[in-house]
Amino acid sequence: EAGVVQSPRYKIIEKKQPVAFWCNPISGHNTLYWYLQNLGQGPELLIRYENEEAVDDSQLPKDRFSAERLKGVDSTLKIQPAELGDSAVYLCASSLFPSGSSSGELFFGEGSRLTVL
Amino acid sequence: GNSVTQMEGPVTLSEEAFLTINCTYTATGYPSLFWYVQYPGEGLQLLLKATKADDKGSNKGFEATYRKETTSFHLEKGSVQVSDSAVYFCALTNQAGTALIFGKGTTLSVSS
Repeated sequence: EAGVVQSPRYKIIEKKQPVAFWCNPISGHNTLYWYLQNLGQGPELLIRYENEEAVDDSQLPKDRFSAERLKGVDSTLKIQPAELGDSAVYLCASSLFPSGSSSGELFFGEGSRLTVL
Repeated sequence: GNSVTQMEGPVTLSEEAFLTINCTYTATGYPSLFWYVQYPGEGLQLLLKATKADDKGSNKGFEATYRKETTSFHLEKGSVQVSDSAVYFCALTNQAGTALIFGKGTTLSVSS
């Protein structure tokens, strides 16, 4: 079974440029997450989707960040314009919960590492 | 809200040494507890989990017991290997049980 797929793995951009990250979750997983991981820190939740609905986006900086999951499968996270402080790893994860409970286990992709110059 | 605190690293050990990485939590209700591991160049992967008090999660020689009385979930391994070198994250479900909250991670380096 294929895992969570993210692209690109690495992205280097100049500040004020836009950037987008793509995520394809594990087939059948209705819940999709975007997490932010700063260097030396643990992942922090940005947004959670149940199917195509963003049910928790309270930690997403909405002035420059946006996300979508139009058909309830793939998702895109966008930053426009990027700032120096956005340099980090953006992680996508998927899970079966809240339904078909796996007691909270999340399956992560390898992440997209962003460097803003 | 729920939170987790884990010991800071790095932790440096020789092969076959005993490992303990401390993790304590603050939570409302009864969260599930997890240890995730991130090997160099790879994504986060679940190492073990426990869903209720006194449960013991185990995998690959690692163990952790859900201790409600001490609000702890310490990770242990009796004999570490070089291949265990990685970053270890303690995590728990949030108050709504809909996402995970992670600690800052502990880097383990094992030398031969």
